[in-house]
Amino acid sequence: LAKTTQPISMDSYEGQEVNITCSHNNIATNDYITWYQQFPSQGPRFIIQGYKTKVTNEVASLFIPADRKSSTLSLPRVSLSDTAVYYCLVGLNNFNKFYFGSGTKLNVKP
Amino acid sequence: NAGVTQTPKFQVLKTGQSMTLQCAQDMNHNSMYWYRQDPGMGLRLIYYSASEGTTDKGEVPNGYNVSRLNKREFSLRLESAAPSQTSVYFCASTSSLGQNNSPLHFGNGTRLTVT
Repeated sequence: LAKTTQPISMDSYEGQEVNITCSHNNIATNDYITWYQQFPSQGPRFIIQGYKTKVTNEVASLFIPADRKSSTLSLPRVSLSDTAVYYCLVGLNNFNKFYFGSGTKLNVKP
Repeated sequence: NAGVTQTPKFQVLKTGQSMTLQCAQDMNHNSMYWYRQDPGMGLRLIYYSASEGTTDKGEVPNGYNVSRLNKREFSLRLESAAPSQTSVYFCASTSSLGQNNSPLHFGNGTRLTVT
């Protein structure tokens, strides 16, 4: 399965757009890219998933370049409640194994 | 529809004691997982069950056993607890077998302390 690399931590201020990039150089042809959010004392929660180009939902956007060796999670106008750890996962559901990296700890300041 | 339910929420064990962590999901998912998360770290996969009747090792299976009791339930057993197993344990499930790319759904975790 493709290994992912993310920044350990990021700081931002309320109202700013935050972009978190994940590297996955050995992504396989059938792999999808999925991002999760985890608050303290809770299990991770699905945010967004994509295969190529751009995906947008009510929470975030996901940008995937043509070579698919990286992806960027974009959170528009963050608030204090977006302070959490964000994980990037790469893998096809049918392989039935999902490995999490260390994630990116986002700290949103007032 | 409760999603993924884990019991107990908290547990303290003495070294050498045994216990079973319970997990149940009501979403008719085929695949279920057990992860552990140590303080300040990411999640590590212990065991998973791709479908009822099958189980496989993940990254850190030593010291654990699992049972996929039926489609709904997937339990994790510590036969002889060690302080190194102090962690938060998360159970997750997802649909598979034809439904591509469905996300993982997590429970709220079991906080285990081994003294």
